[in-house]
Amino acid sequence: DIQMTQSPTSLSASVGDRVTITCRASQGMGTALSWYQQKPGKAPKRLIFDVSTLHSGVPSRFSGSGSGTEFTLTITNLQPEDFATYYCLQHGRYPLTFGGGTEVGIK
Amino acid sequence: EVQLVESGGGLVQPGGSLRLSCVASGFTLNDYWMHWVRQAPGKGLVWVSEIHIDGLTVYADSMRGRFTISRDIAKNTLFLQMSGLRADDTATYYCVRSTSGFDLWGQGARVTVSS
Repeated sequence: DIQMTQSPTSLSASVGDRVTITCRASQGMGTALSWYQQKPGKAPKRLIFDVSTLHSGVPSRFSGSGSGTEFTLTITNLQPEDFATYYCLQHGRYPLTFGGGTEVGIK
Repeated sequence: EVQLVESGGGLVQPGGSLRLSCVASGFTLNDYWMHWVRQAPGKGLVWVSEIHIDGLTVYADSMRGRFTISRDIAKNTLFLQMSGLRADDTATYYCVRSTSGFDLWGQGARVTVSS
C-alpha cells in the first residue's frame, strides 16, 4: 500500500498568509495525486487534480506541485472561507489512500 | 443539475446489514468509475470500493467479503450493500464520481452501528 503522510496535522494562520501543506508518499508515484477541501458537516470538494491542475471554479490562490514522493498544496493570500481541513489522495495504486488531513485554523 | 444523492443510512445493530443507494442526476452513472468513501466521526477519509465502467469491482481489504458495490443502470443508481457490520463501520458514507481523482461527491449517508 502507498501510505500518504500529510503534514502538518494542523496549523494556525491569518487572513492574507501563505500556507503550505505537504503529502509524502511511502513510494514513488506518478501524477495521480489530488487535493480536497472539507468544511465541518460538508462533503469534501476537489481543489487540484493530476498534481497541479486546478479544478473548475477553484480560485487561483490554490496551487499544487510536486513529483516522486513529495507533493505540496499552497494557498496564497489565505481568505476567511479557506479555513477548513485539507486532504491529499493518491489514486494511482490500490488501495486508494488519503493523507491524514491538515486542519487550517484561524490564528 | 449534476449531483449525487445518497440514502439508506441509519442505525443498525452489530452483525446487521444495510444497503446504501446513490442516485446520480445530470450525467450517466455508468460512463464513469464510481466509488464509495467513508469517514468515521472526527476522523479522516477512507476509500471503500469502486466499480469500473465495465462493471469490474475493487474493494479495500477490510471491506472485501462484507461489502458489495453494484449499480442499476436503468435507475442511474449506485449501491453499497453492507453486511456483518461492526462498530468501527460507523461513519458517513460518500458516493463519489471519479475523473482524475474524485470530482463529484454526494452529501453523505450516516451509518451508525450500535446495539
